[in-house]
Amino acid sequence: DAGITQSPRHKVTETGTPVTLRCHQTENHRYMYWYRQDPGHGLRLIHYSYGVKDTDKGEVSDGYSVSRSKTEDFLLTLESATSSQTSVYFCAISESGTSGVPSTDTQYFGPGTRLTVL
Amino acid sequence: DQQVKQNSPSLSVQEGRISILNCDYTNSMFDYFLWYKKYPAEGPTFLISISSIKDKNEDGRFTVFLNKSAKHLSLHIVPSQPGDSAVYFCAATGGGGSNYKLTFGKGTLLTVNP
Repeated sequence: DAGITQSPRHKVTETGTPVTLRCHQTENHRYMYWYRQDPGHGLRLIHYSYGVKDTDKGEVSDGYSVSRSKTEDFLLTLESATSSQTSVYFCAISESGTSGVPSTDTQYFGPGTRLTVL
Repeated sequence: DQQVKQNSPSLSVQEGRISILNCDYTNSMFDYFLWYKKYPAEGPTFLISISSIKDKNEDGRFTVFLNKSAKHLSLHIVPSQPGDSAVYFCAATGGGGSNYKLTFGKGTLLTVNP
C-alpha cells in the first residue's frame, strides 16, 4: 500500500471556524490531490498539486485553499467552514500525471478525514 | 454534465457467480480507465486499469473490458466472494495535459451474498 496518511481522521467544528486537513506521503510522488466524497456525487476533485508550491484548482474549489511547501505534505484549508463542507475528504498521490505511462498516472488514496461542520 | 456514468447504484449477486459492473463515458478524449474498490470508512483502493489501446485487461478474478466505439467499460469479477462486497468506482482520465485529472462515476454498491 502507498504510504499516505491523513490527519485528523475525524473532526467536528462549527460554522465560521478555520479548518486545516493534512496529507502526508512517504512515496516521494510528485502529484497530490484533494477530493471530497458526498452521497450521490462520487469523488470530486477540490485542488491538486504538481510539485512543491505548484497547485491548481479542481472542479469544486470554492471555499478551499491548499498549500504544498514540501514534497511530502499537502494541506487543505477551509478558511471559514460552512455546513455544505461537511463531507469525507480524501487525499491521493500519483507518481506522475502526464508521462503517458498509465501505470505511473494511477492515483492512490489515503484513508480519509470525516469532517462535520455544525 | 456527468462524463462518467455508473447507472446501477447497486448490484446483488450470489457467492461464486459472476459480478458485472458497468460504466459509460461521454468524453472521447479519455484514454485511461480505472476501477477502485471502497470499503466503508476506508479510502478507495486501486483495483485494475485499462489503457485505450487495449480492449481487455485481466488480473486474477478481475477483468476489465473496454468498448471504445460504445464508450463503455465493464468490470467482471469471477467468482464473486463475500469479501468483494464494497462500492466500486469507475474513473477516467485523458486529454493531453489533463491526464492527471480523474473523473469518477458515482459508484455501484456490490453485495455478494453467501
